[in-house]
Amino acid sequence: RKEVEQDPGPFNVPEGATVAFNCTYSNSASQSFFWYRQDCRKEPKLLMSVYSSGNEDGRFTAQLNRASQYISLLIRDSKLSDSATYLCVVPETMGFQKLVFGTGTRLLVSP
Amino acid sequence: NAGVTQTPKFQVLKTGQSMTLQCAQDMNHNSMYWYRQDPGMGLRLIYYSASEGTTDKGEVPNGYNVSRLNKREFSLRLESAAPSQTSVYFCASSEVARTGYGEQYFGPGTRLTVT
Repeated sequence: RKEVEQDPGPFNVPEGATVAFNCTYSNSASQSFFWYRQDCRKEPKLLMSVYSSGNEDGRFTAQLNRASQYISLLIRDSKLSDSATYLCVVPETMGFQKLVFGTGTRLLVSP
Repeated sequence: NAGVTQTPKFQVLKTGQSMTLQCAQDMNHNSMYWYRQDPGMGLRLIYYSASEGTTDKGEVPNGYNVSRLNKREFSLRLESAAPSQTSVYFCASSEVARTGYGEQYFGPGTRLTVT
């Protein structure tokens, strides 16, 4: 099993829709998780951090299910500007705090 | 405050040529990283520097060397470029947060093609 797995998509949704992505991770000792956003041909940028059961920031909600070892990202009322690739990120738990990045889920929001 | 800067933005090399990718950050971060990103592979760590004066191998270090010149600068060198090193290279920096995992800030990337 890969350390971090994501559905590559693309997820095609109309403006205003609600969309959710899942990410599974293999390291059961992981305590914190991140979602990064990457626009086409740009650098990744932090979207949300998840340290306990979940986190909410405006239209974005991240939830953590430790028993099943997955993290979800929910986007409500999708905007055209939400079109991007969303990277699930899990820190390694041994030694220095290196991050393991998923391959990303691509979201396309259409008018 | 420029954040993380990288030079060059684009580069084409012939097989066997060498080059150095430059990275600098102005956020006074202790830790710096070099990643490569390939289609379908995600970001993979090449080398990292936990603090000034230290460097360590990441997941894919073969064919690369690094230098942490000072707290601000972290360079990546390809001694003898190979087509398999065609990729987008990102530099990042972070500060250790109270949780132990600080947000990583990325530079704009260098698009390298080796022919």
